[in-house]
Amino acid sequence: DSGVTQTPKHLITATGQRVTLRCSPRSGDLSVYWYQQSLDQGLQFLIQYYNGEERAKGNILERFSAQQFPDLHSELNLSSLELGDSALYFCASSVGKSTGNTEAFFGQGTRLTVV
Amino acid sequence: GDSVTQMEGPVTLSEEAFLTINCTYTATGYPSLFWYVQYPGEGLQLLLKATKADDKGSNKGFEATYRKETTSFHLEKGSVQVSDSAVYFCALSSSGGYNKLIFGAGTRLAVHP
Repeated sequence: DSGVTQTPKHLITATGQRVTLRCSPRSGDLSVYWYQQSLDQGLQFLIQYYNGEERAKGNILERFSAQQFPDLHSELNLSSLELGDSALYFCASSVGKSTGNTEAFFGQGTRLTVV
Repeated sequence: GDSVTQMEGPVTLSEEAFLTINCTYTATGYPSLFWYVQYPGEGLQLLLKATKADDKGSNKGFEATYRKETTSFHLEKGSVQVSDSAVYFCALSSSGGYNKLIFGAGTRLAVHP
């Protein structure tokens, strides 16, 4: 158990809908990272928050947004869903601001299926 | 931009065989290098890491050496077990201040008794 909790584990929704994925980081970790894992794109970095503020942005679509709350949990919002958004979405957390010198711990992921 | 290339799988081995999974990278500066493992139905777990050239990361019998001259970080294990069956990801974290892990495509390892 990594200590990172993601809910829900599975989500099935229709095209055009909006969903929210939730992540609770390990106790004491200030950084939260979101990744998308799909068969054709592999593991892609989406966005990072550190202590409530956006710190780095990756290949995140404009239809997607995220935030980190004062209690440090994070939510990833996906809207106007398309079939191609079907993927496994991982959250990771770390103590520091950078993955270069602090270990990132991953949750078990949320599997999103858009039908 | 920074990138990681690792050998395609699946890799199928018999128990106690020697394992090598190749990984090469392209990066500016001096990245940190990692191997992560993903067991079925689980998230990624850090297996080992190396933060500078010639460092050797090791854990659970797995080893990898940071080779700056060949920009490589190959994963090796002398004797694999069935329980090592998983997907292995090579990754780097750039030294340029970017706060993200860049992953390779992953290599699936299947070990048979």
